Amino acid sequence: GEEVAQTPKHLVRGEGQKAKLYCAPIKGHSYVFWYQQVLKNEFKFLISFQNENVFDETGMPKERFSAKCLPNSPCSLEIQATKLEDSAVYFCASSQFLPTDTQYFGPGTRLTVL
Amino acid sequence: KQEVTQIPAALSVPEGENLVLNCSFTDSAIYNLQWFRQDPGKGLTSLLLIQSSQREQTSGRLNASLDKSSGRSTLYIAASQPGDSATYLCAVSPTATGTASKLTFGTGTRLQVTL
Repeated sequence: GEEVAQTPKHLVRGEGQKAKLYCAPIKGHSYVFWYQQVLKNEFKFLISFQNENVFDETGMPKERFSAKCLPNSPCSLEIQATKLEDSAVYFCASSQFLPTDTQYFGPGTRLTVL
Repeated sequence: KQEVTQIPAALSVPEGENLVLNCSFTDSAIYNLQWFRQDPGKGLTSLLLIQSSQREQTSGRLNASLDKSSGRSTLYIAASQPGDSATYLCAVSPTATGTASKLTFGTGTRLQVTL
């Protein structure tokens, strides 16, 4: 597609439950990025992929967060045993050829942990 | 650690005014800088990307400049319109060494253009 698609739009989970978010990058884009927006303008980088391979995972909380980009499937970000502080909007972005090309963002998934 | 700051945090201008948004960053070893807008409840829309070797980029009523040595970028919006109301974010990409690819975002400027 011509836009980055993210599902679901909203996700509500009780503390300790699992949350799984999906992202379909723009067709033909090689790089996928995940960001977390906690406060209004505070963006935190989580992880990036080059096709199916992890490219940069320096922002990823290793204990409960995991992510995958498999061939012919949407990319996913999974949070095991969610905590209240995981409540945020999670954005996915993709870039075409290089990680430093323009990043195109999806509409985000708002995760609320109760 | 790279820190990106935007001034002002909020700005209200009447329609038709020209305006400048500022972005400063602490580490000048950047690969490029992007300007985005974010509408309430929406994702980010890329406006302009400036490579570190460039001084400015233009798109329609928008002009972005970059002075890497002083760690500053400005976004100039000409003849502002109510539809320009949004939060504007700048983000820097680190020097492309190793696996570094993450954008570091600024604090944002919330712009309101009034009729």
